[in-house]
Amino acid sequence: EVQLVESGGGLVKPGSSLKLSCVASGFTFSSYGMHWIRQAPKKGLEWIALIYYDSSNKYYADSVKGRFTISRDNSKNTLYLEMNSLRSEDTAMYYCAKEEYTTDYSFAYWGQGTLVTVSS
Amino acid sequence: DTVLTQSPALAVSPGERVTISCRASESVSTGMHWYQQKPGQQPKLLIYGASNLESGVPARFSGSGSGTDFTLTIDPVEADDTATYFCQQSWNDPSFGGGTKLELK
Repeated sequence: EVQLVESGGGLVKPGSSLKLSCVASGFTFSSYGMHWIRQAPKKGLEWIALIYYDSSNKYYADSVKGRFTISRDNSKNTLYLEMNSLRSEDTAMYYCAKEEYTTDYSFAYWGQGTLVTVSS
Repeated sequence: DTVLTQSPALAVSPGERVTISCRASESVSTGMHWYQQKPGQQPKLLIYGASNLESGVPARFSGSGSGTDFTLTIDPVEADDTATYFCQQSWNDPSFGGGTKLELK
């Protein structure tokens, strides 16, 4: 059974940094691209980053480019999101999701999310 | 960026048929997917590739469309379908629609 478990969220002040983790199990983590997607309170979903299975390519939404860094450690089955220069508009639930080429690159598997609140 | 536009809300009675639309700002071929999200839960994939039913999803859900105009149909609607429905395209950098909140009368 595919499981994705995020952690690392919390309450931080504007301008500070935070690093999220997503531990994967139930599939060969090193064979799949992974994404971070966020959802501001009572708002829609926003894709923010993709990392290829071998870390060879990384892509970011314009809203986080230059501030956030996606990375992975395939030996630990873990995906990361390092967030710097946090702003109030970064307040959201952050989900990791597994890329699924068998379903046309939809997001068939999501974690339960970790909440990041940026407030002074 | 590919912008996806959904109507914000719909209200239907149980047993009726409902269609939820999603329009893309540019063609995404059939790279369109639909998700259901209930309060406090992560999104759940319903339809992928515009018209393919995800495993385990009831056949009451169906999808259609290609290019820029897509539809999610629920027929018949049940009380448990109260949720917000999101479309998402994977033809370009992923993007989501704003969501359609489905309420039952």
